Amino acid sequence: ETGVTQTPRHLVMGMTNKKSLKCEQHLGHNAMYWYKQSAKKPLELMFVYSLEERVENNSVPSRFSPECPNSSHLFLHLHTLQPEDSALYLCASTKGAGGAGELFFGEGSRLTVL
Amino acid sequence: AQKITQTQPGMFVQEKEAVTLDCTYDTSDPSYGLFWYKQPSSGEMIFLIYQGSYDQQNATEGRYSLNFQKARKSANLVISASQLGDSAMYFCAMREGDGVSSASKIIFGSGTRLSIRP
Repeated sequence: ETGVTQTPRHLVMGMTNKKSLKCEQHLGHNAMYWYKQSAKKPLELMFVYSLEERVENNSVPSRFSPECPNSSHLFLHLHTLQPEDSALYLCASTKGAGGAGELFFGEGSRLTVL
Repeated sequence: AQKITQTQPGMFVQEKEAVTLDCTYDTSDPSYGLFWYKQPSSGEMIFLIYQGSYDQQNATEGRYSLNFQKARKSANLVISASQLGDSAMYFCAMREGDGVSSASKIIFGSGTRLSIRP
């Protein structure tokens, strides 16, 4: 099992569809992240989840809805997206609680909105 | 607010030469962490090196070293003896706080595309 697994790897959806991206980590980490990577912008932090709190980037539109049912799973629910939402969505996890706290990334979900 | 700046969109370097990738940051938090990541064309993000704001010595990991100049708020990555496999995007990132809070924000710079010439 790889450390951080994202599914699906590729997703094509229409603007009226509802879909979800899934992330699972097998590293025993206690914080999980969603980032958006598009060609025209640097990696954009969307959401951070830990057992204690949720942190979000206030500029993320409400058509993106995160869900973190437990410390190993993270979802990004997508509804009524726009073409500009097409991007690579990266999930990451970290141990937190001191140390370097580096992020471990999944391979990403490539989203195309038609 | 925290900010990371990478001013070199792209660089070309001859194989076996050393290369320095620039990164400057801005934060008002006295405790923070700095990271460098590599993203090859395959897309995966690979952690390279970490520097804590209170670390007295510059971090080193194999051919990677971080030239940390706290007063100048810079954290440049130095790659010694570059190899063809070093061709990739390189991102500088910063976390405010000491990382004890597990929901720390980690933000990234815009990246530098490094190309190694044979």
